[in-house]
Amino acid sequence: GQNIDQPTEMTATEGAIVQINCTYQTSGFNGLFWYQQHAGEAPTFLSYNVLDGLEEKGRFSSFLSRSKGYSYLLLKELQMKDSASYLCAVRSRDNTDKLIFGTGTRLQVFP
Amino acid sequence: DGGITQSPKYLFRKEGQNVTLSCEQNLNHDAMYWYRQDPGQGLRLIYYSQIVNDFQKGDIAEGYSVSREKKESFPLTVTSAQKNPTAFYLCASSNDILGQSLLGYTFGSGTRLTVV
Repeated sequence: GQNIDQPTEMTATEGAIVQINCTYQTSGFNGLFWYQQHAGEAPTFLSYNVLDGLEEKGRFSSFLSRSKGYSYLLLKELQMKDSASYLCAVRSRDNTDKLIFGTGTRLQVFP
Repeated sequence: DGGITQSPKYLFRKEGQNVTLSCEQNLNHDAMYWYRQDPGQGLRLIYYSQIVNDFQKGDIAEGYSVSREKKESFPLTVTSAQKNPTAFYLCASSNDILGQSLLGYTFGSGTRLTVV
C-alpha cells in the first residue's frame, strides 16, 4: 500500500526553529515535495528532493533519506506568516507526475 | 501572467443535483489533476489527465466524472451518486507527464462545495 505520515499539528514560537517530519511507504519513489497551504488557499511549492541530503532555500530547508523513507522540512527564524499547513507529497515511479499527499501538518506560530 | 483558474470559489448544491466545477489553465501544461481535501485529511486524487481526450481514475473517482476536450480545460462534474460531496476541491496542472518535473504542481485556488 501507499502511506505517508506527518504529525497533525505543531506549535512554535516566533523566531524559533521547527522541524516537520514526514515518513513514507510507497510503491516506488521518484521525488518528494513540500508545499505550504494557508487556510482556504491553494498549496504553493516549497521544495523538492529526489536524492539523499539537505536542500536549503532561505529560511526553509528540506532533507531526504530514501533508505529510511524519511524527510523533514526545517523552518528557521519563524514568522507569524509561517502559520499554515505543510503538505508532504511523494511522486511514485509510474511514469506520471502524479503525487500522493500526506495529511498535512498544521503549524501555529505564536508571538 | 500564466496560471490556473478555478471557478466558482464557493458553490452550493442541493442534494440530488449534479454540479460542474471549472478548471482552466494557460500554462500550456499537458497534465491536469483533480483532488479533494477534507478537514484533517490530505489531498486525495479523484481524476487525472496526461493528454487531451484521455483521463484516468484516481483513488476516489466514484460519483465524479471529467472530460478533457481541450488542453486548457479539465472540468469536474460531481454527480448525485457522490454521497458525501461537501469538500474543498483543488485542480492542479504540471508541465511534465513522465515524472520529471522539478516543481511538481501548480494549483488553482480551489472551489469549496457545500451540499444544502
